[in-house]
Amino acid sequence: EAQVTQNPRYLITVTGKKLTVTCSQNMNHEYMSWYRQDPGLGLRQIYYSMNVEVTDKGDVPEGYKVSRKEKRNFPLILESPSPNQTSLYFCASSLGGPWLNTEAFFGQGTRLTVV
Amino acid sequence: GEDVEQSLFLSVREGDSSVINCTYTDSSSTYLYWYKQEPGAGLQLLTYIFSNMDMKQDQRLTVLLNKKDKHLSLRIADTQTGDSAIYFCAESNNQGGKLIFGQGTELSVKP
Repeated sequence: EAQVTQNPRYLITVTGKKLTVTCSQNMNHEYMSWYRQDPGLGLRQIYYSMNVEVTDKGDVPEGYKVSRKEKRNFPLILESPSPNQTSLYFCASSLGGPWLNTEAFFGQGTRLTVV
Repeated sequence: GEDVEQSLFLSVREGDSSVINCTYTDSSSTYLYWYKQEPGAGLQLLTYIFSNMDMKQDQRLTVLLNKKDKHLSLRIADTQTGDSAIYFCAESNNQGGKLIFGQGTELSVKP
C-alpha cells in the first residue's frame, strides 16, 4: 500500500531536549516536505526537498533542521524545542514538485507538545 | 509574498449545496488545489484546476476559477454528513518548490 509514515503520532517533550520526527514514503517520490498546522493559520511549509541531498527552506524554517540522505526518508529535527513549536506536523511526498501538478500524499500527522 | 485566504467555518444542511471560497494573491499561480482533511487524519487531494481553466467538474464537485479576481471556489452538490471536514485550498507556481495553503474552512453538515 502506497503511504507516508510518520513517527511518533504523539509526543510530549520538555524545552531544549532534542527530538526527531521520522518520515518515510514507499512510492519512490522525489519531492518531500514538512508542514506545521496551527489553528487559524492553515498549513505552513517548514522545509522541502526536491531530491536526495537537496533541501531548501520553506516559510517557517527557524528552529528546525532536515536531512535527505536517502530518497525514502526525510526526518525533521528540533535541536532545542521551544513551546512555540507545539503544533501538528505533517510530512508529505509527491512524484514531482507542486509546479508539476503531482498529487501530494500526506502522513497521518505528529502532534507535538513542548512544555 | 504569496497569500491564500479562506473563511474559517461553513455550516450547511444535509442535501444542500456547499460553496467554499478562496482568494489568492499570486498572479503566477500555475495550479490550484483543493485538499480535504478528515478528523485525526492527514490531507487528501480532492481536485485541482490548471490556471488557464475556469471550471472543472468531477461528480459532486465543481471548481470555479476567476483568474481576474484571483478567486477560487469549490461547490459540493447534495452535501452529506460524510463531507464534514476541513477543506484547504492551495496554490503553486513555477517559481519555487512551495505549495501555499489557505487557513482551511471547516465544513459542518447538519442532518
